[in-house]
This record gives sequence, structure tokens and C-alpha cells, in this order.
Amino acid sequence: SQQGEEDPQALSIQEGENATMNCSYKTSINNLQWYRQNSGRGLVHLILIRSNEREKHSGRLRVTLDTSKKSSSLLITASRAADTASYFCATDAPDTGRRALTFGSGTRLQVQP
Amino acid sequence: GAGVSQTPSNKVTEKGKYVELRCDPISGHTALYWYRQSLGQGPEFLIYFQGTGAADDSGLPNDRFFAVRPEGSVSTLKIQRTERGDSAVYLCASSLTGTSGDTQYFGPGTRLTVL
Repeated sequence: SQQGEEDPQALSIQEGENATMNCSYKTSINNLQWYRQNSGRGLVHLILIRSNEREKHSGRLRVTLDTSKKSSSLLITASRAADTASYFCATDAPDTGRRALTFGSGTRLQVQP
Repeated sequence: GAGVSQTPSNKVTEKGKYVELRCDPISGHTALYWYRQSLGQGPEFLIYFQGTGAADDSGLPNDRFFAVRPEGSVSTLKIQRTERGDSAVYLCASSLTGTSGDTQYFGPGTRLTVL
């Protein structure tokens, strides 16, 4: 089963609105990352939040992490048509020592101009 | 190079054939990862190299899949006796050290179609 699960699966908003995507995971983590993917290719790293952090900002992005609930959210403020993409959360697994990331199934964001 | 590159960008093959997919990581990155992504899903881990050795191959689905990184740079993912279920986008990523939290930089992927 997926370690990270995003919701909603799809989100459609108007340009200028905020977009919020959520991610839940099952096991303990070292950190959680958010990636963006256009047209099914080439993931781009957006932001990383460590397990001892609760909130992080990068430009129009705001990420929160609640380790007690095993959940994270990604907020994109003042969305633009160019933000249209799929967004994935990814976690590592410290208990296993694995360095590979475990991805959720993603949220497909559509920003209408 | 400036980023991770993968060749070919698209590969169409027939069931039962052998294919090789190539990944050129960012210069100086010691860690290299292969993932597979099916339509509408997130990437799934296949194998991770630290230098020349496969540090974790637990994601390879079966023994038809094999990967090498002989000089610690370029890697080749090899699939024998391809099946239709192998159709997916194969993504390669590299990171500087492979430690936890090290950003993984992804290539554009190879779209494999098995007819």
C-alpha cells in the first residue's frame, strides 16, 4: 500500500484562489517532501520539511506537518494557470534505512485562467 | 551535465523483447535511483545505487529486471522478456550523497510501451 496518500485526487480552482492539498502517511518518517510533475514527466522538488518542523514556507508555498496525525498539507497561495500540474508527497523510511522515497498517488491540480 | 538525462525518451517494444534504458545523473552525484510510474499513480521505487553498488534493490518486481552502474555514474536499467504490464514511465533520479533528506533530482523519464 502507498505510504503517502494525497487528497483530493483532483482539484480545480480559479486563478488567484488558494489551493490546499493534503497527504497522509502510515509509518514514522525523517522528512516529507513535495514534488510537482507536469504532463506525466520529470518531477520537480518543491520543498522538504523535517520531522521536527511544523511549518515551512517557500515563496507562494506553505507546508505544514503534523507527525501526531501523520499528515501534511501543501498550500499554494494566489494560484496561477502555470501551477496546473500533479503534486506528490514523498516520505523516507528511517526504520528501514531506505534512502528511496515512497510517493503517494498525487493530487491533480487544474488552475483555470 | 545540468540535469539528469534519460534515453531514449520513448521506447516501443514487443512482448518478449529485451530493453535497456539509460540514465545520466548529475555530475558528482553519488546516489542514483530508479523508479517506475504507471498512469495516474505516483512513482514506485525500483533500485538505489550508492556509487557502483546496488545498495537497495528491494523494489525490483522480479528477476527480469536488472540494473547496473559500473563506473558510479551512468546507469542502465535492463528488462528481459518484457511483458505488457511493464509499460510505464521509468524515472531516474540522482542525489549528491544519498543521505536522508538529500534532494533527489529527477530526469524526464523514458516512456516504455510493450505491445
